[in-house]
Amino acid sequence: EIVMTQSPATLSVSPGERATLSCRASQSVSSKLAWYQQRRGQAPRLLMYGVSTRASGTPARFSGSGSGTEFTLTISSLQSEDFAVYYCQQYNNWPRTFGQGTKVEIK
Amino acid sequence: EVQLVESGGGLVQPGGSLRLSCAASGFTFINYGMTWVRQAPGRGLECVASISGSGDTAYYGDSVKGRFTISRDNSKNTLYLQMNSLRAEDTAIYYCGKTAPYYLDYWGQGTLVTVSS
Repeated sequence: EIVMTQSPATLSVSPGERATLSCRASQSVSSKLAWYQQRRGQAPRLLMYGVSTRASGTPARFSGSGSGTEFTLTISSLQSEDFAVYYCQQYNNWPRTFGQGTKVEIK
Repeated sequence: EVQLVESGGGLVQPGGSLRLSCAASGFTFINYGMTWVRQAPGRGLECVASISGSGDTAYYGDSVKGRFTISRDNSKNTLYLQMNSLRAEDTAIYYCGKTAPYYLDYWGQGTLVTVSS
């Protein structure tokens, strides 16, 4: 099983600032990496897939990068609706595995 | 508009069984794989099981293998998860997701399963 490790566990950011979230895979997942956003009390929703392709409805302030084992999700200027938990997921191997999540909170 | 609506959750005793359903609409159901993902209270996400569009291929997470069965009825646009020999650690919100084709591009709102005596 591929283990996905996200850092930091919690990120405190002021509105308008930049946020950088990291995700590391225990072995290469090529470009088979997705990011999901989960707001409090809601189901997760797809943000990005294929490392850097924004899903329908994902604002341009979200960007993804990386390959192999190291990946980054960047939010260029945090808006109030962006404060949430973010999960990375590899879909290169079964079982599909998620990171433990990074909570982005208001500083 | 894609809609996924889960049902069938509830309180069940350890060792008991439960069947979850996920009613799908807004897309050609048979053309897409489907996945069940669960989230224990205050915890992260875990892929439980996935099934191909035709229903002939299924994958299971190690923690549920041999106890859970994923299936689908393409004539009813419905996904199922039969859960047997339930344990306290199966307590979670269970989400169904449309798999397009490997990541989940749409999620339902989830159904809560509580395993407790």
